Amino acid sequence: NAGVMQNPRHLVRRRGQEARLRCSPVKGHSHVYWYRQLPEEGLKFMVYLQKENIIDESGMPKERFSAEFPKEGPSILRIQQVVRGDSAAYFCASSRKGAGDTEAFFGQGTRLTVV
Amino acid sequence: KQEVTQIPAALSVPEGENLVLNCSFTDSAIYNLQWFRQDPGKGLTSLLLIQSSQREQTSGRLNASLDKSSGRSTLYIAASQPGDSATYLCAVVNSGYALNFGKGTSLLVTP
Repeated sequence: NAGVMQNPRHLVRRRGQEARLRCSPVKGHSHVYWYRQLPEEGLKFMVYLQKENIIDESGMPKERFSAEFPKEGPSILRIQQVVRGDSAAYFCASSRKGAGDTEAFFGQGTRLTVV
Repeated sequence: KQEVTQIPAALSVPEGENLVLNCSFTDSAIYNLQWFRQDPGKGLTSLLLIQSSQREQTSGRLNASLDKSSGRSTLYIAASQPGDSATYLCAVVNSGYALNFGKGTSLLVTP
């Protein structure tokens, strides 16, 4: 069984460009979470989605960041007009039910570098 | 707001030693606690999940305990091996979905 798949693994963007990060959850999982790991920092929750719905985006910056999990296809985390401070590792996780009930599985992450 | 603390921040032990990693959390109203392993530049690998009603979980050489009332969990690694070298992360779930992570313990097991 394939685990959580994220692509690309590494992404380099110039300041002002857009970054699109993709996440395919474990087959059968309908709950997706995005986390950000800044250098020397712990992982911070950004957004929680179920199919076609954003459940909680309280950890996501109000501007420039958006996330979706369409009925078909992967979840997308989109960062518009990237700045150097967006450089970080972005991890996606999925679970069969909400993370309060079941184990969460993480992808390998996308390492975004803004130059 | 939930705060998760992991002690020590870094640990170096010779191969074969048994060791204990500590995790504490400020809000004891958790749904579950999960231990992960992260290798440099890699993703997170789930090691053990303890539901709030459980006291411990075991997997191979790993044993995790949970004392919800005191806000503590320990990860015990028996007979450590160089391949155990990694960062170990503790995370708790309070509101049903978001994992709150500690900053991790960086473990080095020397041959």
